[in-house]
Amino acid sequence: DAKTTQPTSMDCAEGRAANLPCNHSTISGNEYVYWYRQIHSQGPQYIIHGLKNNETNEMASLIITEDRKSSTLILPHATLRDTAVYYCIVRDLSGNTGKLIFGQGTTLQVKP
Amino acid sequence: EAQVTQNPRYLITVTGKKLTVTCSQNMNHEYMSWYRQDPGLGLRQIYYSMNVEVTDKGDVPEGYKVSRKEKRNFPLILESPSPNQTSLYFCASSFWVGAAEKTEAFFGQGTRLTVV
Repeated sequence: DAKTTQPTSMDCAEGRAANLPCNHSTISGNEYVYWYRQIHSQGPQYIIHGLKNNETNEMASLIITEDRKSSTLILPHATLRDTAVYYCIVRDLSGNTGKLIFGQGTTLQVKP
Repeated sequence: EAQVTQNPRYLITVTGKKLTVTCSQNMNHEYMSWYRQDPGLGLRQIYYSMNVEVTDKGDVPEGYKVSRKEKRNFPLILESPSPNQTSLYFCASSFWVGAAEKTEAFFGQGTRLTVV
C-alpha cells in the first residue's frame, strides 16, 4: 500500500470548514483512499473512502485530485466534538490482507 | 445497533498470568483483527482472521494467540503476559474487501492493559 503524508497538526475555528490534506504521490490505480479519525483514545471511526471521484456522506466530503496524488477531507462545519486525530490511509483492495496501515495522522484542534 | 464489543475495558495484571481479551461483533462480518496502539508507534496489527477457523499473523504477533471458532467472536489470548505488552488494544471487524463499498472497519472501544 502506498505511503501517505499528512501535516502533524491543524487548528480550525468552530463552525468553519476544516480542510485536512493528504499526499499519496505513489498511489496506484487499484488503491482507495480511506479516512478514519480517533477521538482521544477511543477506537478509530470510519469517515469516508473513495477511488477517484469526489465522495460525500453525512460526516464529510472527500476531494481527490485528478492525478490522485493527493486528497482533502472536508468537515463542512467543524464542532468541538470533531477534535481528533485524522488518519489518511491508502489501501489496495485486490488480494489485500485487510490490514489498515495507520500513520501518525493529523491532530485537528477545533477551537471555540 | 451495529457494534464491536471488547471486554474488559481496563485490566491490570501481573507478569506471566494468562489472560484473554474478548471481542464480539454483531454485523456478520467475515474479517476481524486485533491492533495495539503505543505512543510514537501508532496502531499496529497483531493478528487477523478472514473467516471462521482462518487466522494469520499481522505485524507484531509475538506473545499473542487468537482463535476464530465462531464468526462473531475473536478473542485475543496472552499466554504469559510481559510488561512490554502493556498497551491499548483494539479489535476491528469488516466485511471482506471484495465489495469496495462495504469495506469500512468498525473498531471496539479499546482495552487498556497494564502488565506489572
